[in-house]
Amino acid sequence: DGGITQSPKYLFRKEGQNVTLSCEQNLNHDAMYWYRQDPGQGLRLIYYSQIVNDFQKGDIAEGYSVSREKKESFPLTVTSAQKNPTAFYLCASSIPQGAVYGYTFGSGTRLTVV
Amino acid sequence: ILNVEQSPQSLHVQEGDSTNFTCSFPSSNFYALHWYRWETAKSPEALFVMTLNGDEKKKGRISATLNTKEGYSYLYIKGSQPEDSATYLCPVQAGTALIFGKGTTLSVSS
Repeated sequence: DGGITQSPKYLFRKEGQNVTLSCEQNLNHDAMYWYRQDPGQGLRLIYYSQIVNDFQKGDIAEGYSVSREKKESFPLTVTSAQKNPTAFYLCASSIPQGAVYGYTFGSGTRLTVV
Repeated sequence: ILNVEQSPQSLHVQEGDSTNFTCSFPSSNFYALHWYRWETAKSPEALFVMTLNGDEKKKGRISATLNTKEGYSYLYIKGSQPEDSATYLCPVQAGTALIFGKGTTLSVSS
């Protein structure tokens, strides 16, 4: 079945270390997205990519970096510059359906930095 | 910045009760509103995509309406069941990305 795989589900890192979260899709979707959720808050957009080798900053891109070398993959690196990296991270992809987009989500990675 | 507001933030109902939630959004430059159901440890599940003023969608016991002129959408659940317990999201499409509110968390007791 087609879908989005995020791994691992839980990730622990020491403060000051960079960490990369994986997001892979086999849906042949052009666009991919990373969102972050904090307790009691909604999902906020970190980065998105509409096509291979291109990506744009979302609302909270500071302290994060991404790459889009392959259509299927959109890894997110949480750098040591991110002040509050502990959060839940959700990856998504989309395909245009006329003027509207159809979105598919992963099941998320919960990152804890100690 | 586009702001999506959902209310209530959480609610608890008994099995068999009917309930509804509200999603508010800016009415200018509207493309589409999506409703998702999100259970803990799972991926958000698409319920409806709504685009036109006056849209009404239905899927089993769940239905939704859209008013783009005044900037709101309602989600209705008729005869709530314990399996309806989840967080319901109503992101608005802005360009290609979705803008989310905080969601409404529904808990249904048997």
